[in-house]
Amino acid sequence: AQSVTQLDSQVPVFEEAPVELRCNYSSSVSVYLFWYVQYPNQGLQLLLKYLSGSTLVKGINGFEAEFNKSQTSFHLRKPSVHISDTAEYFCAVSGYFGNEKLTFGTGTRLTIIP
Amino acid sequence: EAGVVQSPRYKIIEKKQPVAFWCNPISGHNTLYWYRQNLGQGPELLIRYENEEAVDDSQLPKDRFSAERLKGVDSTLKIQPAELGDSAVYLCASSTGGLAGHSSYNEQFFGPGTRLTVL
Repeated sequence: AQSVTQLDSQVPVFEEAPVELRCNYSSSVSVYLFWYVQYPNQGLQLLLKYLSGSTLVKGINGFEAEFNKSQTSFHLRKPSVHISDTAEYFCAVSGYFGNEKLTFGTGTRLTIIP
Repeated sequence: EAGVVQSPRYKIIEKKQPVAFWCNPISGHNTLYWYRQNLGQGPELLIRYENEEAVDDSQLPKDRFSAERLKGVDSTLKIQPAELGDSAVYLCASSTGGLAGHSSYNEQFFGPGTRLTVL
Protein backbone atom coordinates (compact mmCIF):
# COMPACT_ATOMS: atom_id res chain seq x y z
CA ALA A 1 0.00 0.00 0.00
CA GLN A 2 1.10 3.55 -0.68
CA SER A 3 0.39 6.77 1.17
CA VAL A 4 1.21 10.44 0.79
CA THR A 5 1.56 13.05 3.52
CA GLN A 6 1.31 16.76 2.91
CA LEU A 7 1.94 18.30 6.31
CA ASP A 8 1.02 21.86 5.37
CA SER A 9 -2.68 22.32 4.69
CA GLN A 10 -2.26 26.05 3.98
CA VAL A 11 0.77 28.09 2.94
CA PRO A 12 0.55 31.90 2.65
CA VAL A 13 3.38 33.53 0.71
CA PHE A 14 4.06 37.08 -0.36
CA GLU A 15 4.13 37.73 -4.09
CA GLU A 16 7.59 37.28 -5.66
CA ALA A 17 8.82 35.34 -2.61
CA PRO A 18 10.02 31.72 -2.90
CA VAL A 19 7.86 28.82 -1.78
CA GLU A 20 8.31 25.17 -0.88
CA LEU A 21 5.40 22.75 -0.52
CA ARG A 22 6.33 19.58 1.31
CA CYS A 23 5.43 16.03 0.36
CA ASN A 24 6.47 12.75 1.94
CA TYR A 25 5.41 9.33 0.75
CA SER A 26 5.40 5.77 2.00
CA SER A 27 5.58 2.69 -0.18
CA SER A 28 6.98 -0.82 -0.04
CA VAL A 29 7.77 -0.70 -3.76
CA SER A 30 9.22 1.83 -6.16
CA VAL A 31 6.83 4.53 -7.24
CA TYR A 32 6.25 7.29 -9.70
CA LEU A 33 5.73 10.72 -8.10
CA PHE A 34 3.58 13.63 -9.24
CA TRP A 35 2.45 17.12 -8.36
CA TYR A 36 -0.95 18.31 -9.56
CA VAL A 37 -2.52 21.77 -9.34
CA GLN A 38 -6.23 22.43 -8.96
CA TYR A 39 -7.61 25.89 -9.61
CA PRO A 40 -11.06 26.75 -8.18
CA ASN A 41 -13.87 24.78 -9.80
CA GLN A 42 -11.50 23.06 -12.19
CA GLY A 43 -10.05 19.59 -12.56
CA LEU A 44 -6.50 18.56 -11.79
CA GLN A 45 -3.64 19.61 -14.02
CA LEU A 46 -0.26 17.88 -14.00
CA LEU A 47 2.56 20.21 -12.90
CA LEU A 48 5.44 17.75 -13.06
CA LYS A 49 6.37 14.13 -12.59
CA TYR A 50 9.29 11.98 -11.51
CA LEU A 51 9.60 8.66 -13.32
CA SER A 52 13.33 7.94 -13.26
CA GLY A 53 16.70 9.55 -13.90
CA SER A 54 17.60 13.00 -12.61
CA THR A 55 16.15 13.63 -9.17
CA LEU A 56 15.47 17.28 -9.98
CA VAL A 57 12.49 17.64 -12.26
CA LYS A 58 11.14 20.78 -13.83
CA GLY A 59 7.52 21.38 -14.64
CA ILE A 60 5.20 24.00 -15.98
CA ASN A 61 4.78 27.54 -14.64
CA GLY A 62 8.32 27.66 -13.24
CA PHE A 63 7.83 24.90 -10.66
CA GLU A 64 10.40 22.22 -9.87
CA ALA A 65 10.62 19.33 -7.45
CA GLU A 66 13.37 17.15 -6.07
CA PHE A 67 13.05 13.45 -5.41
CA ASN A 68 14.90 12.30 -2.28
CA LYS A 69 14.74 8.55 -1.92
CA SER A 70 16.46 8.35 1.46
CA GLN A 71 14.01 10.84 2.96
CA THR A 72 11.08 9.58 0.87
CA SER A 73 10.28 13.16 -0.05
CA PHE A 74 9.26 15.02 -3.18
CA HIS A 75 9.05 18.69 -2.26
CA LEU A 76 7.76 21.28 -4.72
CA ARG A 77 9.52 24.63 -5.11
CA LYS A 78 9.21 27.88 -6.99
CA PRO A 79 11.76 30.72 -6.66
CA SER A 80 9.25 33.54 -7.16
CA VAL A 81 5.48 33.15 -6.93
CA HIS A 82 2.76 35.15 -8.64
CA ILE A 83 -0.86 35.87 -7.83
CA SER A 84 -1.85 33.37 -10.50
CA ASP A 85 -0.22 30.56 -8.50
CA THR A 86 -3.02 30.72 -5.94
CA ALA A 87 -4.49 27.21 -6.02
CA GLU A 88 -4.61 23.82 -4.31
CA TYR A 89 -1.58 21.60 -4.87
CA PHE A 90 -1.68 17.82 -4.58
CA CYS A 91 1.20 15.39 -4.34
CA ALA A 92 0.50 11.89 -5.65
CA VAL A 93 2.16 8.51 -6.15
CA SER A 94 1.47 5.51 -8.34
CA GLY A 95 2.96 2.10 -8.77
CA TYR A 96 5.04 1.07 -11.74
CA PHE A 97 2.76 -1.43 -13.39
CA GLY A 98 0.17 -0.63 -16.01
CA ASN A 99 -2.27 2.19 -15.47
CA GLU A 100 -2.30 2.05 -11.71
CA LYS A 101 -4.36 4.44 -9.64
CA LEU A 102 -2.98 7.65 -8.23
CA THR A 103 -2.85 7.94 -4.45
CA PHE A 104 -3.12 11.58 -3.44
CA GLY A 105 -2.19 13.59 -0.39
CA THR A 106 -4.72 15.86 1.28
CA GLY A 107 -3.50 18.93 -0.57
CA THR A 108 -1.85 22.25 0.27
CA ARG A 109 -3.68 25.50 -0.36
CA LEU A 110 -1.20 28.09 -1.60
CA THR A 111 -2.32 31.67 -1.05
CA ILE A 112 -0.32 34.50 -2.57
CA ILE A 113 -0.37 37.77 -0.65
CA PRO A 114 -0.01 40.89 -2.84
CA GLU B 1 -8.14 18.24 -29.02
CA ALA B 2 -11.02 18.13 -26.57
CA GLY B 3 -10.27 17.16 -22.99
CA VAL B 4 -12.25 14.92 -20.68
CA VAL B 5 -15.88 16.04 -20.64
CA GLN B 6 -18.12 15.62 -17.64
CA SER B 7 -21.74 16.50 -17.04
CA PRO B 8 -23.47 17.90 -15.19
CA ARG B 9 -20.99 20.27 -13.55
CA TYR B 10 -23.21 20.74 -10.51
CA LYS B 11 -26.02 18.67 -9.03
CA ILE B 12 -28.14 19.26 -5.95
CA ILE B 13 -30.47 16.50 -4.79
CA GLU B 14 -32.40 15.42 -1.73
CA LYS B 15 -31.11 12.41 0.18
CA LYS B 16 -32.48 9.05 -0.94
CA GLN B 17 -32.81 10.31 -4.52
CA PRO B 18 -30.86 8.72 -7.38
CA VAL B 19 -28.20 10.62 -9.34
CA ALA B 20 -26.02 9.89 -12.35
CA PHE B 21 -22.83 11.41 -13.69
CA TRP B 22 -21.54 11.12 -17.23
CA CYS B 23 -17.98 11.16 -18.53
CA ASN B 24 -16.60 11.21 -22.07
CA PRO B 25 -12.84 10.54 -22.09
CA ILE B 26 -10.26 11.85 -24.52
CA SER B 27 -10.57 10.13 -27.87
CA GLY B 28 -8.41 7.02 -28.07
CA HIS B 29 -7.97 6.66 -24.32
CA ASN B 30 -8.72 3.08 -23.29
CA THR B 31 -8.41 3.57 -19.55
CA LEU B 32 -11.03 5.49 -17.61
CA TYR B 33 -11.03 6.33 -13.89
CA TRP B 34 -13.67 7.67 -11.51
CA TYR B 35 -12.34 9.44 -8.41
CA ARG B 36 -14.23 10.99 -5.51
CA GLN B 37 -12.86 14.11 -3.84
CA ASN B 38 -14.32 14.96 -0.45
CA LEU B 39 -14.05 18.52 0.82
CA GLY B 40 -10.52 19.27 1.98
CA GLN B 41 -9.19 15.93 0.76
CA GLY B 42 -7.35 14.54 -2.23
CA PRO B 43 -9.17 12.45 -4.83
CA GLU B 44 -9.65 8.73 -4.11
CA LEU B 45 -10.17 6.12 -6.79
CA LEU B 46 -13.63 4.56 -7.01
CA ILE B 47 -13.24 2.45 -10.15
CA ARG B 48 -10.88 1.94 -13.09
CA TYR B 49 -11.85 0.61 -16.51
CA GLU B 50 -9.67 -0.91 -19.19
CA ASN B 51 -11.93 -0.64 -22.23
CA GLU B 52 -15.26 -2.16 -21.07
CA GLU B 53 -13.80 -4.11 -18.16
CA ALA B 54 -13.76 -2.82 -14.59
CA VAL B 55 -10.30 -3.91 -13.46
CA ASP B 56 -10.25 -2.18 -10.06
CA ASP B 57 -13.53 -1.50 -8.24
CA SER B 58 -12.34 -2.40 -4.76
CA GLN B 59 -13.15 1.08 -3.40
CA LEU B 60 -16.60 1.36 -4.98
CA PRO B 61 -19.41 1.11 -2.38
CA LYS B 62 -21.36 -1.49 -4.28
CA ASP B 63 -24.48 -1.32 -2.16
CA ARG B 64 -25.41 2.05 -3.63
CA PHE B 65 -22.88 2.88 -6.36
CA SER B 66 -22.75 1.41 -9.83
CA ALA B 67 -20.83 2.25 -12.97
CA GLU B 68 -20.82 1.19 -16.57
CA ARG B 69 -18.78 1.68 -19.70
CA LEU B 70 -20.73 -0.36 -22.20
CA LYS B 71 -18.91 0.44 -25.44
CA GLY B 72 -15.54 1.17 -23.95
CA VAL B 73 -15.86 4.90 -24.54
CA ASP B 74 -18.05 7.05 -22.30
CA SER B 75 -19.04 6.03 -18.81
CA THR B 76 -21.81 6.63 -16.29
CA LEU B 77 -21.50 6.56 -12.51
CA LYS B 78 -24.73 6.18 -10.54
CA ILE B 79 -25.67 6.52 -6.89
CA GLN B 80 -28.97 5.10 -5.67
CA PRO B 81 -30.02 6.13 -3.12
CA ALA B 82 -27.81 9.10 -2.31
CA GLU B 83 -26.82 9.83 1.29
CA LEU B 84 -25.64 13.04 2.91
CA GLY B 85 -22.09 11.70 3.03
CA ASP B 86 -22.00 11.37 -0.75
CA SER B 87 -21.62 15.12 -1.13
CA ALA B 88 -18.31 15.51 -2.96
CA VAL B 89 -16.72 16.27 -6.31
CA TYR B 90 -16.71 13.30 -8.67
CA LEU B 91 -13.77 13.42 -11.07
CA CYS B 92 -13.32 11.42 -14.22
CA ALA B 93 -9.88 10.86 -15.76
CA SER B 94 -8.59 8.98 -18.77
CA SER B 95 -5.29 7.71 -20.10
CA THR B 96 -3.96 5.67 -22.99
CA GLY B 97 -3.95 1.90 -22.50
CA GLY B 98 -1.22 0.17 -20.55
CA LEU B 99 -0.25 -3.47 -20.24
CA ALA B 100 -0.74 -4.87 -16.76
CA GLY B 101 2.46 -6.25 -15.33
CA HIS B 102 4.70 -4.03 -17.43
CA SER B 103 6.51 -1.00 -16.19
CA SER B 104 4.85 1.86 -17.94
CA TYR B 105 3.47 5.31 -17.38
CA ASN B 106 0.48 6.84 -19.08
CA GLU B 107 -0.53 10.31 -17.93
CA GLN B 108 -4.01 10.66 -16.49
CA PHE B 109 -5.97 13.64 -17.78
CA PHE B 110 -8.75 14.90 -15.53
CA GLY B 111 -12.10 16.39 -16.33
CA PRO B 112 -13.55 19.41 -14.44
CA GLY B 113 -15.63 17.20 -12.14
CA THR B 114 -19.24 17.11 -11.01
CA ARG B 115 -19.94 18.77 -7.67
CA LEU B 116 -22.70 16.83 -5.89
CA THR B 117 -24.58 18.31 -2.96
CA VAL B 118 -26.97 16.03 -1.08
CA LEU B 119 -29.47 17.85 1.15
